Amino acid sequence: AQSVTQLGSHVSVSEGALVLLRCNYSSSVPPYLFWYVQYPNQGLQLLLKYTSAATLVKGINGFEAEFKKSETSFHLTKPSAHMSDAAEYFCAVSPYNNNDMRFGAGTRLTVKP
Amino acid sequence: SQTIHQWPATLVQPVGSPLSLECTVEGTSNPNLYWYRQAAGRGLQLLFYSVGIGQISSEVPQNLSASRPQDWQFILSSKKLLLSDSGFYLCAWSRWGAGGYNEQFFGPGTRLTVL
Repeated sequence: AQSVTQLGSHVSVSEGALVLLRCNYSSSVPPYLFWYVQYPNQGLQLLLKYTSAATLVKGINGFEAEFKKSETSFHLTKPSAHMSDAAEYFCAVSPYNNNDMRFGAGTRLTVKP
Repeated sequence: SQTIHQWPATLVQPVGSPLSLECTVEGTSNPNLYWYRQAAGRGLQLLFYSVGIGQISSEVPQNLSASRPQDWQFILSSKKLLLSDSGFYLCAWSRWGAGGYNEQFFGPGTRLTVL
């Protein structure tokens, strides 16, 4: 069975600082990995996805993530945080040819001025 | 393009009352459909998913039920709400990517408060 663990339920950074949100996965088969963002009282929006092509994936709003098989990780980064990045971020895993998708518990990002 | 709708956007219901939340998807055929719940300060809990009309799989036994009367319509129901049913309910649909991955797209959600 696949699962993801997001390290840190809350992350706080200053505006302009590096954003690093951690996600580790567990999967018995090659996984597909996703990062979603949720703004208050809204649905989830896809930021980026890893689908076994390039290991460094670029997404919307300047975010990117790197798939590292040796570390079973898929951490989300952004070089310079903006106030508008404040939101909840979810990592998710889905195995090949499977309807299932499992989400992490989420990380709330706060951006300080 | 595909769009997903949920209504109502917000709902306040007394304990013991019935519930009906609706989700509709436009612009795609035979989507997989999902109901999730987010309790305050918690992650997403998958409640139900459907791969076709009348085909419902339940992830968590509870007092909620789901139905899919049309290909594009997914309904979440309860006969008697509990306080613990309060939360943010999200509907999602998915499609298969060319590489065999299942990407999900979410609706705007329904905020349910049970008093």
